[in-house]
Amino acid sequence: DAGVTQSPTHLIKTRGQQVTLRCSPKSGHDTVSWYQQALGQGPQFIFQYYEEEERQRGNFPDRFSGHQFPNYSSELNVNALLLGDSALYLCASSLAPLAGSGELFFGEGSRLTVL
Amino acid sequence: KNEVEQSPQNLTAQEGEFITINCSYSVGISALHWLQQHPGGGIVSLFMLSSGKKKHGRLIATINIQEKHSSLHITASHPRDSAVYICAVLVGGADGLTFGKGTHLIIQP
Repeated sequence: DAGVTQSPTHLIKTRGQQVTLRCSPKSGHDTVSWYQQALGQGPQFIFQYYEEEERQRGNFPDRFSGHQFPNYSSELNVNALLLGDSALYLCASSLAPLAGSGELFFGEGSRLTVL
Repeated sequence: KNEVEQSPQNLTAQEGEFITINCSYSVGISALHWLQQHPGGGIVSLFMLSSGKKKHGRLIATINIQEKHSSLHITASHPRDSAVYICAVLVGGADGLTFGKGTHLIIQP
């Protein structure tokens, strides 16, 4: 049983570019949430998808957007990249429709460096 | 605004010692998570609790809702327990989880 998989694992972009990160949830899970973790900090909640809709959102600008597909996989898109967007981006899946109300299964993350 | 504070920030102990990591939060919550993060980034969920106490192997998590405080205990610590331990809380559910900054634990052989 595959757990949560994320791609790519590492990537380097320059300021102003756009990036797409991908997440496949654990088999049977229909809820995906995304988190940003800056170096030395705890993660911060970006948003959560359930039934192909964004259900909850943290304090992130509109440059951060996402999508969930019918197979429950998800994408995180970040436009107009800033240096401060450099971070580890984590995806988590669960069976609970409310992010954090059920056990979370995390992927290994995508480490984004913006130069 | 909910604040999550963890203590200590860093902890170095000898193998076999009893470890306690603390988490305090400022508003009422509906759930609290303890997470473990190894170098490289992957996070593993250890516990989710809303009251009382849970135990899994050498790990014990407790929560006191009235005092807005939770503790994670590790008995008979081992070098493989070395990791960052993160507390995260859910308030009502509208804004997702709020995370602490983590406690960096090193267990020396």
